[in-house]
Amino acid sequence: EIVLTQSPATLSLSPGERATLSCRASQSVSNYLAWYQQKPGQAPRLLIYDASIRATGIAARFSGSGSGTDFTLTISSVEPEDFAVYYCQQRSNWPPITFGQGTRLEIK
Amino acid sequence: QVQLVESGGGVVQPGGSLRLSCAASGFTFSGYAMHWVRQAPGKGLEWVAFIRYDGSNEHYADSVKGRFTISRDNSKKTLYLQMHSLRVEDTAVYYCAKDLRYGSSWSHFDYWGQGTLVTVSS
Repeated sequence: EIVLTQSPATLSLSPGERATLSCRASQSVSNYLAWYQQKPGQAPRLLIYDASIRATGIAARFSGSGSGTDFTLTISSVEPEDFAVYYCQQRSNWPPITFGQGTRLEIK
Repeated sequence: QVQLVESGGGVVQPGGSLRLSCAASGFTFSGYAMHWVRQAPGKGLEWVAFIRYDGSNEHYADSVKGRFTISRDNSKKTLYLQMHSLRVEDTAVYYCAKDLRYGSSWSHFDYWGQGTLVTVSS
C-alpha cells in the first residue's frame, strides 16, 4: 500500500499570502496524484488531477506540481473561501487507492 | 448538471447489515466507473470500493473485503453498497464518487454526493 504523508498538518496564513502544501508518497506514484478541498459539512471537491491539471472550474490561483514521490499544491494568493482541509490522493498501483491525512489551512 | 444522491444510511447494531444507494443524474452513468469513499467523524478520507463502468470488475479496501459488496444497475442509474457484519469502526459518512474519465478507471473523483451517515452502535 502506498502511504501519502501531508505536511504541514496545519498551515496558518492570512488572506493574500501564498500557501504551499506538501504531499510525499512512500514510493513513486508517477504523476497519478490528485488534490481535493473539503469544507466543513461538505463533500470533497477535486482541484487538481494527474499532479498538475486543474479540474473544470477551478481558479487559476490553484496549481499543482511534482512527480514521483514529492508533490506540491500551491495557492498563489489565499482567498477567504480557501480556508479548508486539503487532501492528496494517489491512483498508482491500486488497489488500494489512498489519501493523505490532510492539511488544514486556517486563518491566521 | 451532475448529481449524486446517496441514501440508506442510519443507525445499525454491530453485526448488522445496511444497503446504501446512490442515484445518479446529469451524465452517462453507464460510461463511468464509480467508487465509495468514507469519512469517519473528524477523520480523513478512506477509499472503500470501486466498480467498473459495466460492472465487470470490482475492488475493495482490505478493511471491508468480504463484508461489503459494490454493485450497480445502469438501467436505473444507481450505485449500491451492501454492507454486512458491520463494526463500530465502520461508522462514517459514506460518499459515492464519480470517476473522472469516460470508459476507463482513472480513479480520480470529479463529482461526489453529499454523503450518508452510517452509525454502528449498540
